[in-house]
Amino acid sequence: DAGITQSPRHKVTETGTPVTLRCHQTENHRYMYWYRQDPGHGLRLIHYSYGVKDTDKGEVSDGYSVSRSKTEDFLLTLESATSSQTSVYFCAISESYRNTGELFFGEGSRLTVL
Amino acid sequence: DQQVKQNSPSLSVQEGRISILNCDYTNSMFDYFLWYKKYPAEGPTFLISISSIKDKNEDGRFTVFLNKSAKHLSLHIVPSQPGDSAVYFCAVESGTYKYIFGTGTRLKVLA
Repeated sequence: DAGITQSPRHKVTETGTPVTLRCHQTENHRYMYWYRQDPGHGLRLIHYSYGVKDTDKGEVSDGYSVSRSKTEDFLLTLESATSSQTSVYFCAISESYRNTGELFFGEGSRLTVL
Repeated sequence: DQQVKQNSPSLSVQEGRISILNCDYTNSMFDYFLWYKKYPAEGPTFLISISSIKDKNEDGRFTVFLNKSAKHLSLHIVPSQPGDSAVYFCAVESGTYKYIFGTGTRLKVLA
């Protein structure tokens, strides 16, 4: 199994509070991703990183920011959480891209915003 | 607009029979496709992939078929087993390092 750790695994917070989810990898993979999973929507890409300090937006990036200051860590921040951000968040990593890569996923972080 | 569509939210199949899961995509430039399986309370796991230079790829009980003219791919599971019960997602490489996923199909294999 790919070495991916997400923390926290479960969090309940209140509307308007900041939240940071952490993804830590031990595989030294270049590419890292944050997805959210919601019923009826499948997995939607929030942000991704293609190198240290190199990040870009995905399909549903509004209300989220990310940072990657070192290869192994990719942080997802909700500056002011809203109830619509209640979801299960998955981090994924990939060693390569273009017809050879596959994503390895973490176990998920369940966030509830009251 | 959804670039990757799985129009069947759920599917039930008898044990031992074939399961066929379908996926449609909108952009003919997509050229690498993947299938993932997800059990409850776990992260998705990679199942099988196919490049657009092929129209079929097999791995044990799992076969993925690609019809580029129809922009359609399918996953066949033969024979289906109760342990295959899970949510299946198709995904595409959509350019600039991004992977786009479909909405998923929940497969239930009945013993």
